[in-house]
Amino acid sequence: QVQLQESGPGLVKPSETLSLACTVSGASFNNYYWSWIRQAPGKGLEWIGYVYNSGNTTYSPSLKSRVTISLDMSKNQFSLKLRSVTAADTAVYYCSRGGGGIAFDYWGQGTLVSVSS
Amino acid sequence: QSVLTQPPSSSGAPGQRVTISCSGGSSNIGANSLYWYQQLPGTSPKLLIYKTDQRPSGVPDRFSGSKSGTSGSLAISGLRPEDEADYYCATWDGKLRAWVFGGGTQLTVL
Repeated sequence: QVQLQESGPGLVKPSETLSLACTVSGASFNNYYWSWIRQAPGKGLEWIGYVYNSGNTTYSPSLKSRVTISLDMSKNQFSLKLRSVTAADTAVYYCSRGGGGIAFDYWGQGTLVSVSS
Repeated sequence: QSVLTQPPSSSGAPGQRVTISCSGGSSNIGANSLYWYQQLPGTSPKLLIYKTDQRPSGVPDRFSGSKSGTSGSLAISGLRPEDEADYYCATWDGKLRAWVFGGGTQLTVL
């Protein structure tokens, strides 16, 4: 059974870097894309970007200048770093298997990250 | 403002059939498969329809998807109270080189 679990700080100060990890169990990273998606309070879903098992990445154009997604197969994890955050980055962040033309078929439970001083 | 346009709300009585539309353009829906997600209150989204009209294992055949040109739709027949949720469409946009989602449709079962 494929399971994804997000982890990381729930509170980040403005201008700092948001860092989250997603631990994957029950699935191999091979031949899959792994995405981060966020949802601001009361709003819709926004795709942030994905990493492929080769390490190749693609990011949302609106976030590209601030985002890094990376893979650590030895830890069964992929991670998200979002730099220079503002209150507009406050959201529930989900990790998901999918991207690159393939459905987001498994999702983590999501983690709320608030940006506030 | 979302690249894909969905009605913000929809409703229907138990047993009825409802459809939720998703409108896009030639670089997204017009060129790629459409996906639908169901998000029950307080939970993560769940894949409902993939590759426009395919249901994952475990999704009832009351749910069906289709598309024509640059628009797609999700149909739910035999509406049940547990179908009350937010529904999102999504697809790859080749021009933006990004996944795009609709703004979501809140379905109320009357």
